[in-house]
Amino acid sequence: ETGVTQSPTHLIKTRGQQVTLRCSSQSGHNTVSWYQQALGQGPQFIFQYYREEENGRGNFPPRFSGLQFPNYSSELNVNALELDDSALYLCASSPRTGVGTGELFFGEGSRLTVL
Amino acid sequence: GESVGLHLPTLSVQEGDNSIINCAYSNSASDYFIWYKQESGKGPQFIIDIRSNMDKRQGQRVTVLLNKTVKHLSLQIAATQPGDSAVYFCAEMGGTSYGKLTFGQGTILTVHP
Repeated sequence: ETGVTQSPTHLIKTRGQQVTLRCSSQSGHNTVSWYQQALGQGPQFIFQYYREEENGRGNFPPRFSGLQFPNYSSELNVNALELDDSALYLCASSPRTGVGTGELFFGEGSRLTVL
Repeated sequence: GESVGLHLPTLSVQEGDNSIINCAYSNSASDYFIWYKQESGKGPQFIIDIRSNMDKRQGQRVTVLLNKTVKHLSLQIAATQPGDSAVYFCAEMGGTSYGKLTFGQGTILTVHP
């Protein structure tokens, strides 16, 4: 277990609706990244939060937004859902060090289905 | 844009065999590479990493090889076990893009008893 928890595990929405996904990072980790994983694909970077600020964003439209809270937990919000938003949404936490590594600790994801 | 890709989408081996999973990357600025394992219904799990100033790194039953000349990465799993059955992803990170990984498509490894 990585100590990263995500909720909900599964949810179904309809087009045009909004969704909020939540993530609790591993204790001591101050950086949270969100990834979208479509079926049969590798995860794609959405954005990263570090000390409550967005710290880099992938190729996703503004209707994908996020928050990080003082306890380093995080939310991913998606507005105006589209069918192509159906995917597994992964949260990953990591400690911020001077050298840094790519070892991200992933949660088990939130499976979103948009009908 | 820059991407990381895999040569083989599926690999089937017998228990006890050695497995080799390959990955090609195109971003010459990449300086850090990671292999992840993803079991069904779970998030990716870190296996091993390697920096661009190395060409080989060994872990427990796994070895990663990096050939910067041809931009190629491989993961070798020794004495493959049924528990190794999963999807394996290579991922890269470059420069200052801390924690922002670019993943390849993945290889499905199936180990037959």
